[in-house]
Amino acid sequence: QLQLQESGPGQVTPSETLTLTCTVSGDSIRGSSVYWGWLRQSPGKGLEWIGTIHYSGRTYYSPSLKSRLTMSVDTSNNQFSLRLGSVTAADTAVYYCAGHLPQLPPYFDLWGQGILVTVSS
Amino acid sequence: QSVLTQPPSVSGAPGQRVTISCTGSSSNIAAGYDVHWYQQLPGAAPKLLIYENSKRPSGVPDRFSGFKSGSSASLAITGLQADDEADYYCQSYDNSLGGWGVFGTGTKVTVL
Repeated sequence: QLQLQESGPGQVTPSETLTLTCTVSGDSIRGSSVYWGWLRQSPGKGLEWIGTIHYSGRTYYSPSLKSRLTMSVDTSNNQFSLRLGSVTAADTAVYYCAGHLPQLPPYFDLWGQGILVTVSS
Repeated sequence: QSVLTQPPSVSGAPGQRVTISCTGSSSNIAAGYDVHWYQQLPGAAPKLLIYENSKRPSGVPDRFSGFKSGSSASLAITGLQADDEADYYCQSYDNSLGGWGVFGTGTKVTVL
């Protein structure tokens, strides 16, 4: 059974770079036509799609975060990662990794448990 | 601020039926894009509840149903149960924003 697990620091200093990794278990990250995404949820707020990556390395970013965002994939370790630069308090959120098929809009039927990241000095 | 508007809260007694609306516009739901729904229990990750407007993933009870018409969609919960108390989000695509999807503002369902 496919499972996702986020990992990374729980706190990041303002203006620094947030880096998170999602480990895929139960199948290869190259499996079928699954795409891998990141979403976040600010405290008490709604959900926001951040970006999506395919194992081939092709990326799709939220227009509002594109200038600060880099996503990458490590097929040898069955992982994909997110790097968000120049973070501010507004980036404080629970970050989720998720899997979905390449349709528009995608539906996210596989989720990690989420990781809370606080931007604070 | 999301382009998909949901009521902040709805409530109902056990056994009752409640509906949650998701109102969009000509650049999203009315443009023909599918709507998906998620349930988020307290402290948990969202769970896919309805996809492609009205389809239920395996394991989701038929008490949950989805409907789309015009520029809005709705989620209905019949036979309301205590463990249905959660936040519910709709999701679609907006061709004026780009990206791969937008979420609704979310609705808190309270079981009285």
